[in-house]
Amino acid sequence: DQQVKQNSPSLSVQEGRISILNCDYTNSMFDYFLWYKKYPAEGPTFLISISSIKDKNEDGRFTVFLNKSAKHLSLHIVPSQPGDSAVYFCAARRINSGYALNFGKGTSLLVTP
Amino acid sequence: DAGVIQSPRHEVTEMGQEVTLRCKPISGHDYLFWYRQTMMRGLELLIYFNNNVPIDDSGMPEDRFSAKMPNASFSTLKIQPSEPRDSAVYFCASSLSGRPNTEAFFGQGTRLTVV
Repeated sequence: DQQVKQNSPSLSVQEGRISILNCDYTNSMFDYFLWYKKYPAEGPTFLISISSIKDKNEDGRFTVFLNKSAKHLSLHIVPSQPGDSAVYFCAARRINSGYALNFGKGTSLLVTP
Repeated sequence: DAGVIQSPRHEVTEMGQEVTLRCKPISGHDYLFWYRQTMMRGLELLIYFNNNVPIDDSGMPEDRFSAKMPNASFSTLKIQPSEPRDSAVYFCASSLSGRPNTEAFFGQGTRLTVV
């Protein structure tokens, strides 16, 4: 039962344009959301997060938006750079479940020059 | 800090053999997680520990899988006997409770191939 869903397996964007990666979740008990970035042959690395009490968090070129009513979050990368090409995983944590994360299947982003 | 260290990086074994994956978490972290990545299921949580105690092993697929954490600096994930469908990348991650940002730090993973 996939509680965190990333419905786009891949995305291709031109350098300098905006990349928008989407994520949907089904469990209303999730209270904290994270995005991880993964390069081939490496482990996922933390990128940005957002608490359920907020609707936006920004860190440089990366912004995460949360729409709780729609159970949807998105990651915006502006401007996109070739080095951003990687697999992006959306993850969520459930209230009172410790610090275990539920991950989506990932979206492979390719930024072309 | 060297980060989360996993060994081996790659493991190829024959069906029926025992496989042991190892993990050294970041010093001072009190949570340790084992994840498995496959094309079909993505990143799925197998088990996690808090202060060396297993908290939730509901993600462990079968009794063939077992995990231990004998001390704060070492954990193992064992598969016995291994089967071809266990082929995947296994990640270990650790995190520190009590921080505002509770992100987990991942190791580089062990790519397991069972033939």
